[in-house]
Amino acid sequence: ETGVTQTPRHLVMGMTNKKSLKCEQHLGHNAMYWYKQSAKKPLELMFVYNFKEQTENNSVPSRFSPECPNSSHLFLHLHTLQPEDSALYLCASRQAIGAIDEQFFGPGTRLTVL
Amino acid sequence: SQKIEQNSEALNIQEGKTATLTCNYTNYSPAYLQWYRQDPGRGPVFLLLIRENEKEKRKERLKVTFDTTLKQSLFHITASQPADSATYLCAPRHSGGYQKVTFGTGTKLQVIP
Repeated sequence: ETGVTQTPRHLVMGMTNKKSLKCEQHLGHNAMYWYKQSAKKPLELMFVYNFKEQTENNSVPSRFSPECPNSSHLFLHLHTLQPEDSALYLCASRQAIGAIDEQFFGPGTRLTVL
Repeated sequence: SQKIEQNSEALNIQEGKTATLTCNYTNYSPAYLQWYRQDPGRGPVFLLLIRENEKEKRKERLKVTFDTTLKQSLFHITASQPADSATYLCAPRHSGGYQKVTFGTGTKLQVIP
């Protein structure tokens, strides 16, 4: 295990539902990330939090709303999603922005929007 | 715009041979480059990091090269095993901050017994 957990592992939701993805890291890191991975496409960076502050929003639609209450937890709140939002959503953490080090990824949440 | 290119075609090799994966980048001057392994339905796992002033880095059966003139990194797995079958991602990085273009599309490696 990488020290980064994500729940749920699988989620099926309708376009009118509201759901949340949760990520928790047990590594003492200060930077956390949300990525989207669709088939045949590279990992797409969505949001970055550094010391609980959002430092990057990669032009993500407002139907995705991140929340970082502390350095160990990261949420992605979902509402009125579209079928094209179906993908693997990955959370990652890192010691800190600017450090030369690797990211630790969680197992991901497989999201299906009907 | 910044671009990271990896072989989109899957790479099939015979067990015991050396697998070589390519990562090319354009409009980019990374200070270092990372390689990750990703298994189906799982998150990427870090393998190796090489800095711009390092030509080559080794870890067990893995070897990475970094040519800043060619803007290319090569990732080698020697004495490949079926357990090496996975998708391998490259990730060029600046020394500070983060970039919107962060990972290549990955190359799927299949090692045939």
